[in-house]
Amino acid sequence: EVQLLESGGGLVQPGGSLRLSCAASGFTFSNYAVSWVRQAPGKGLEWVSAISGNGGKTYYADSVKGRFTISRDNSKNTLYLQMNSLRDEDTAVYYCAREVSASGFFDYWGQGTLVTVSS
Amino acid sequence: EIVLTQSPGTLSLSPGERATLSCRASQSVNRNYLAWYQQKPGQAPRLLIYGASSRATGIPDRISGSGSGTDFTLTISRLEPEDFAVYYCQQYGSTPLTFGGGTKVEIK
Repeated sequence: EVQLLESGGGLVQPGGSLRLSCAASGFTFSNYAVSWVRQAPGKGLEWVSAISGNGGKTYYADSVKGRFTISRDNSKNTLYLQMNSLRDEDTAVYYCAREVSASGFFDYWGQGTLVTVSS
Repeated sequence: EIVLTQSPGTLSLSPGERATLSCRASQSVNRNYLAWYQQKPGQAPRLLIYGASSRATGIPDRISGSGSGTDFTLTISRLEPEDFAVYYCQQYGSTPLTFGGGTKVEIK
């Protein structure tokens, strides 16, 4: 069974940092591109960042470019999102999601982890 | 960046009725790379449709997608109780990947 389990969310002050993790199981992790998608409270979905299966290619939304870094450790079947210089508008539930054939749409999602940026 | 506009914002219908949801793109979606997701409160999104009209695994045939270019439609032929949720379209033909603002299908 494919599973994605996010962790690392919490309360952080503006300007602070946080690292999210997503542990994958039930499939060959290195064969799949994965993304982070976020959802602000009561709002819609926003794609944040993506990384190829071998980690060689990364992509970012303009809203996080230069502040967030996506990475993966295929030996640990884990995806990461390092978030620096956090802003109030980064408050959201962060989901990791598996891409189908590196196409850009998502067939499996984690349950999400809440990041709250507030003083 | 391709902007996706979903309408209506809320659809109030009764079980057994037909639901028609619209997703309009600000420019043509490459190769009709358009997906639809369903999201229920407190849950992650669930993939319904990809490639504008292909059903994902396990999705019943009362749910269908259609359209091309800039205009896409998700149709639920007969609403079941489990279909009341929020629906999002997403284009993956170009980066950045973008989502529509969502349509809530609520019980009338």
